[in-house]
Amino acid sequence: DAMVIQNPRYQVTQFGKPVTLSCSQTLNHNVMYWYQQKSSQAPKLLFHYYDKDFNNEADTPDNFQSRRPNTSFCFLDIRSPGLGDAAMYLCATSSRTGETQYFGPGTRLLVL
Amino acid sequence: AQKVTQAQTEISVVEKEDVTLDCVYETRDTTYYLFWYKQPPSGELVFLIRRNSFDEQNEISGRYSWNFQKSTSSFNFTITASQVVDSAVYFCALSEWVGAQKLVFGQGTRLTINP
Repeated sequence: DAMVIQNPRYQVTQFGKPVTLSCSQTLNHNVMYWYQQKSSQAPKLLFHYYDKDFNNEADTPDNFQSRRPNTSFCFLDIRSPGLGDAAMYLCATSSRTGETQYFGPGTRLLVL
Repeated sequence: AQKVTQAQTEISVVEKEDVTLDCVYETRDTTYYLFWYKQPPSGELVFLIRRNSFDEQNEISGRYSWNFQKSTSSFNFTITASQVVDSAVYFCALSEWVGAQKLVFGQGTRLTINP
């Protein structure tokens, strides 16, 4: 089945230690999104790629960066995680902007 | 600016009861999309429905139904004969018709179905 895959499902990192979360998709969608969701809150968009075009949200901290080496994969890099970055990170894809976004299972990040 | 309000933070009902989740939105756009997503305890956001702003026809899918009323800017979701497996957080969301088209989510409603 076509799907959005996120690895790992749980990630523990140390304060200040760089961490990378990965997302892959078999849907061949043009658009990939990264959301941050803190406990009991709605998902918050960090950035998205339309093909290779990167679109950063104005309030996304510089600590968060992303790479999309090809259509199938997208990575979220947190350069120096702080305690406040502990959250669920959700990847989503859509065939083009405006179409339905399909989400992966998420990666829950814990910062010690 | 776009905004989605889900006034019900938590709802708890007994199995087999009907339950309606409210969603009210604000937008200056004349055309837009509305969505409902389900987030079970596992964390994945599961797509339930998408509705275009020019299509006010209500929709039924099994035990789920959606009532879209543009006049009151509401897009409510009803579960008939609720089941324990319906327990989850439900998010209503809005996106632009053009431009960046990012999803603007409501705060979510935590629905608990008790046996």
